Order: sequence, then C-alpha cells, then structure tokens
Amino acid sequence: EAGVAQSPRYKIIEKRQSVAFWCNPISGHATLYWYQQILGQGPKLLIQFQNNGVVDDSQLPKDRFSAERLKGVDSTLKIQPAKLEDSAVYLCASSSIRAYEQYFGPGTRLTVT
Amino acid sequence: KNEVEQSPQNLTAQEGEFITINCSYSVGISALHWLQQHPGGGIVSLFMLSSGKKKHGRLIATINIQEKHSSLHITASHPRDSAVYICAVRPIITGNQFYFGTGTSLTVIP
Repeated sequence: EAGVAQSPRYKIIEKRQSVAFWCNPISGHATLYWYQQILGQGPKLLIQFQNNGVVDDSQLPKDRFSAERLKGVDSTLKIQPAKLEDSAVYLCASSSIRAYEQYFGPGTRLTVT
Repeated sequence: KNEVEQSPQNLTAQEGEFITINCSYSVGISALHWLQQHPGGGIVSLFMLSSGKKKHGRLIATINIQEKHSSLHITASHPRDSAVYICAVRPIITGNQFYFGTGTSLTVIP
C-alpha cells in the first residue's frame, strides 16, 4: 500500500512570506495529523482531523496557521505570515479509526530566514 | 512537564555493541510506539506495544505497564542504525492522539 505523501520536501522562505504544505494520507485512513517538530524536540501536534472535521486544534497558532481537509482525504497546512521560529519539520501522519498505529509521511523541512 | 521521558538523550556506540534506550511515561496508556527518524526527517514506525515484548530482526522492544516503562534494544548495532529513536504513547484519556518523547540520538561508529 502507498504510504503518506507530503510535498514539498524542503522549503526556504523569508519571514513574513506565506507557505503551504500538502499531505495525502494512506487510502482509507480517516484520521489525519499535522505535527511540528523543532530541531532537538519531539513532534508537537498542531491539528487532528477525523474525516473532514477537526478533532483537536488546541495547539495550532490560529493567528498565522490554518489547515483544511475539505473532502476528508488530502489536507493542506498554511502559514501566513511565517516567522523565524516556524523553522521546523512539518510531519503529516494518518491512521485508521480502529487502529492505534500512526503512519508518518517523509516530512517537509521549512527554513524561515 | 513532559509526560514522556527518554534516556539517554544522546548515545554513541561502537559497531557491534548492544544498545538500550529507555522510555518512561506518567499517564495510563493503551499503546506505545517506538519510532525511528533519520536525518531527512521522515519517521518510520518500529513497534507498537501494549504489553510484553516484541522482536523484529536485531530490534527488541519491551514494555512494563505497571512500571510505566519501555525499553528498545538493538543487538549487534550497525552504523545504519544511526538515527533518532522516539517513544510515543497513546494515553487512554485522549482520542487517538499520542504524546511524544524528545528522542534519543544514536550514532554507531564503524
């Protein structure tokens, strides 16, 4: 089965610019997660979707971050405007409703200069 | 306070050594993940545990639910094992979410 796909793999932008990341989960996985992983730290959950509904976005900085999963399949995460501290790897993961295991994508490494 | 603590943070070993990475957590869990992350950033799931012990090749993972502790062992370590190993737990109280440790950075020297 195909894994979780993410694009782009790398992105370099200047502060105050906008950026968008894309994720396509494993086919049939209802739950999709976006994580932010700053260098030297574990992943931090930004937002969790179940189908096209938001389950948890309590740690999403909503003044600059937004995410959507309109058709309950692929998802986009946007940062507008970016700050230096947004430099991180952005990971997308998915899981089926019944399974405990999460499957991760390759991540997008964002550098904000 | 982090609900998941890993030790050591950094580990350097000679090729062939037996390696142990520890994970302690403070909440009741329904499952525990051991994950491997290479420098490119992608994460691969190594094990999902809810009790006992699992083995896959040179990797062994154990969990003691009563003591809230898990270990990941690598036998006959190899330079290709160099990566960050992350412990993640699925608390009983959360709906399909995980708490992550900060990871253990392993370097195996030839």
